[in-house]
Amino acid sequence: DAKTTQPNSMESNEEEPVHLPCNHSTISGTDYIHWYRQLPSQGPEYVIHGLTSNVNNRMASLAIAEDRKSSTLILHRATLRDAAVYYCILSLNSGGSNYKLTFGKGTLLTVNP
Amino acid sequence: EPEVTQTPSHQVTQMGQEVILRCVPISNHLYFYWYRQILGQKVEFLVSFYNNEISEKSEIFDDQFSVERPDGSNFTLKIRSTKLEDSAMYFCASQGIHNYGYTFGSGTRLTVV
Repeated sequence: DAKTTQPNSMESNEEEPVHLPCNHSTISGTDYIHWYRQLPSQGPEYVIHGLTSNVNNRMASLAIAEDRKSSTLILHRATLRDAAVYYCILSLNSGGSNYKLTFGKGTLLTVNP
Repeated sequence: EPEVTQTPSHQVTQMGQEVILRCVPISNHLYFYWYRQILGQKVEFLVSFYNNEISEKSEIFDDQFSVERPDGSNFTLKIRSTKLEDSAMYFCASQGIHNYGYTFGSGTRLTVV
């Protein structure tokens, strides 16, 4: 599996935007970029995914670099409930939907009131 | 919003005993997974299941582990003879055919004593 690199931790203030970076310099042309988060004492939660174009959903935005070697998860207005570990994961789209997730250590986001 | 339900939330068992962890995936989902997370460590893939058979398994998923979807709604993980090192949070996840995001359950905390 292609590897991702994320900062161990980041800090933000409530109601400010947060930009969580991820480097994936060995990404292949068929790898999708997925983001999940894990709130304390809970299971991981899907946030967003993309291939080449930037993506928006109700939770976040995903900005993908033109060369696809990096991406940024953007939380537009952080809330205290966004405090979690954020995982950037690459997975091969084999043509079906079945794929496994290889979790790294992720970025621990702290949100200050 | 549809949920993946796991029971029990916490199970304590003696070493060498068999345990069955239960999951009810989202009803129209087709792909099912088990992951585990030892305290303070990464989330690790165990097994994926599709069309009533295992599609992929990790090295962790040895002969002591098995999975079943006995009745079309439940998805179970059995550990035949538990070891101390099996103590972890076990997460079930499911995925729909047109949805690349997983939905994880809240997990079962397994404590082997």
